[in-house]
Amino acid sequence: AQSVTQLGSHVSVSEGALVLLRCNYSSSVPPYLFWYVQYPNQGLQLLLKYTTGATLVKGINGFEAEFKKSETSFHLTKPSAHMSDAAEYFCAVSLRSNDYKLSFGAGTTVTVRA
Amino acid sequence: GAVVSQHPSRVICKSGTSVKIECRSLDFQATTMFWYRQFPKQSLMLMATSNEGSKATYEQGVEKDKFLINHASLTLSTLTVTSAHPEDSSFYICSASWGSGELFFGEGSRLTVL
Repeated sequence: AQSVTQLGSHVSVSEGALVLLRCNYSSSVPPYLFWYVQYPNQGLQLLLKYTTGATLVKGINGFEAEFKKSETSFHLTKPSAHMSDAAEYFCAVSLRSNDYKLSFGAGTTVTVRA
Repeated sequence: GAVVSQHPSRVICKSGTSVKIECRSLDFQATTMFWYRQFPKQSLMLMATSNEGSKATYEQGVEKDKFLINHASLTLSTLTVTSAHPEDSSFYICSASWGSGELFFGEGSRLTVL
């Protein structure tokens, strides 16, 4: 079985500051890891995913995440926050690349201060 | 990107009544659709997987008779909460796939049972 823990249900950053969202996973086999973003009144949108290969994954909107097996982590970062980054972010894990039985974290709400 | 739409986005009903939530893929044929439930400040929990023309596969602990799922066409899946009670109040989210390796999510439907 696999599970995900997102540390911090709410993160507040200043515009232009670093965004760091933490995600730790538990999996009995090498995991596939995902970050999704949900804007108000919209569906979840895939930001990026890690399957195999390069451990630093770049996604849309300037986000990237690094898979660290030794730390069982997949933290999401963005060097400079923009007001449009205010949203809910979900980390998810699955056992296969196309396995849609995703296990989601509880989500982290990001607010951006002007 | 592909669009998945849910309707209604919000519904309030009396205890004991049944409520139907629709999930439509607007610009692609969804071979598989998924239904999730999300409690406040908690993870999305996969309830069931539905494939067009066949019975839904429910996750352990999800009552099949309470949550009826129908996937009658390649663009429509419905979730019916039967004899709803206040504990069924939640945020229900669907997602759909056409086999591309990516999931597309609906906006979610908030059910409140009085």
